[in-house]
Amino acid sequence: DAGVTQSPTHLIKTRGQQVTLRCSPKSGHDTVSWYQQALGQGPQFIFQYYEEEERQRGNFPDRFSGHQFPNYSSELNVNALLLGDSALYLCASSLTGGAPRANYGYTFGSGTRLTVV
Amino acid sequence: GNSVTQMEGPVTLSEEAFLTINCTYTATGYPSLFWYVQYPGEGLQLLLKATKADDKGSNKGFEATYRKETTSFHLEKGSVQVSDSAVYFCALRSSSNTGKLIFGQGTTLQVKP
Repeated sequence: DAGVTQSPTHLIKTRGQQVTLRCSPKSGHDTVSWYQQALGQGPQFIFQYYEEEERQRGNFPDRFSGHQFPNYSSELNVNALLLGDSALYLCASSLTGGAPRANYGYTFGSGTRLTVV
Repeated sequence: GNSVTQMEGPVTLSEEAFLTINCTYTATGYPSLFWYVQYPGEGLQLLLKATKADDKGSNKGFEATYRKETTSFHLEKGSVQVSDSAVYFCALRSSSNTGKLIFGQGTTLQVKP
C-alpha cells in the first residue's frame, strides 16, 4: 500500500519565480495538510484541504496557495519566491471524513526540498 | 497561543544508554500529544501518541506519558541503539483544532557504537 507520494523530491528556483509542489495522499485518506520545515526547525503548518476546500490555514502569506483535486491529491503553489522560502515542504494525509474532532493518524511524505537562489 | 518546547540537542549517547528527551507544552484544554521521528532524508514517522492525561504512549521501546499537571510529554527509552539516531519532534494538536499539528524545534539524537 503506497504511502504519501510527493513530487518532485528536489527543486531549485530563482527569486521571484513561482513553484508548484504535488502530493498524492495515502490510499483511503481524504484530507491533505502541508507543512514547511526550515533547516534545523520543526515543521510549520501552512494549510489543510478537505473536499477540495481549504479548511484551515496557518500564518503564511497569500503567496502560498493550494488546491485539492477530486481524487484527493493536492498541490501547493508559491508565488514570488523569496530566499526565505527555501525549506523542506511536507505533505501529510489523514482520514477525517469531515468530522470536527476526528483523531485519525497522519501519514507524512518524504517531502520536497525547495532551494531558492 | 499553543506551543511546544523541546530540550536542545544534539544528544549524544553510547549504545545501550538510557534516553530522555524533554518536551513541555502550552495549550488550553486537553490537547493530543505526539512524538515523531525523522531519519536523514526522510519525512516524519509517528513514533507514539497520547490523547488524554495519564495516557502512556509506547512503540519500539520508546515511551512517553502525558502529564497534565506538569504539561510534559517526555520521551524515554531504556537502551538506545545506533539505529535510533535521528531527529525527534514533539508535537501537539489542540482539542479544538482538527488538523493543525504544532511542533517543537526537534532534538537530534546521535548514538555511538
